[in-house]
Amino acid sequence: DAGVIQSPRHEVTEMGQEVTLRCKPISGHNSLFWYRQTMMRGLELLIYFNNNVPIDDSGMPEDRFSAKMPNASFSTLKIQPSEPRDSAVYFCASSLVLGGYTFGSGTRLTVV
Amino acid sequence: AQSVTQLGSHVSVSEGALVLLRCNYSSSVPPYLFWYVQYPNQGLQLLLKYTTGATLVKGINGFEAEFKKSETSFHLTKPSAHMSDAAEYFCAVGQTSGTYKYIFGTGTRLKVLA
Repeated sequence: DAGVIQSPRHEVTEMGQEVTLRCKPISGHNSLFWYRQTMMRGLELLIYFNNNVPIDDSGMPEDRFSAKMPNASFSTLKIQPSEPRDSAVYFCASSLVLGGYTFGSGTRLTVV
Repeated sequence: AQSVTQLGSHVSVSEGALVLLRCNYSSSVPPYLFWYVQYPNQGLQLLLKYTTGATLVKGINGFEAEFKKSETSFHLTKPSAHMSDAAEYFCAVGQTSGTYKYIFGTGTRLKVLA
C-alpha cells in the first residue's frame, strides 16, 4: 500500500491567493482527518470525515477554510483567501474505525 | 471529555540509556491509547497502541508502553536509546465508542547524546 498520499509537498503562495491541498487516503479506511501543525500551536485537528461525511469541523479556524470529500478516495482542503498566518504543515490522516491513524507526509504551506 | 498530558517537552538521554517518555490521560470511558513518532520533515508514524487486553504493549523499534488504569498513565519506554531514536513523540487518547477523533498531546522532543 502506498500509504496516505498528499500533494503538493510544498506550496508557496502570495497572500490573497486560493490554495488547495489534496489527500488520497488508504483504500478501505473510512475515516479521514485534516491536521495543521505549527511550532506555536502544535498539532490541531481541523476537520474529520467518516464515510465521506464531515463529522466535526469545529477546528476549522474560519470561513476561509473549507474541506470536501467527494468520494472515499479523495479529499481537499481549501483556503481562500490565504493569509501569512496560515503558514504551517498540513497533514492528512486516515484510519479504520477505532484504529490508529496513518498520516501522510504533509504539505508545507508558506504564504508570503 | 478527554485530554492527554505529556510531561516534559524536551528529554535528553545518553546513547544506550533508558528512554522514558511520560503520558497521562483523562477519559470518562475506557480509552484507546497511542504513541506516535515524528522524524524531521515527516508525518507522524504509529509506534504502538493499546485498545483492550494485555496492558503491556510492544511496538516498533524496541519501544513499549504500559497502560496503568489506576495511574491514568501510558508511559513509553525503551531499554537502550539509539541515535536514530531522536525525534518528537506524541501520545494520543481516543474513546472506545462514539467519536473517532483522537486527542494528541503537545509532544516530547527526544534528544540522544553520543
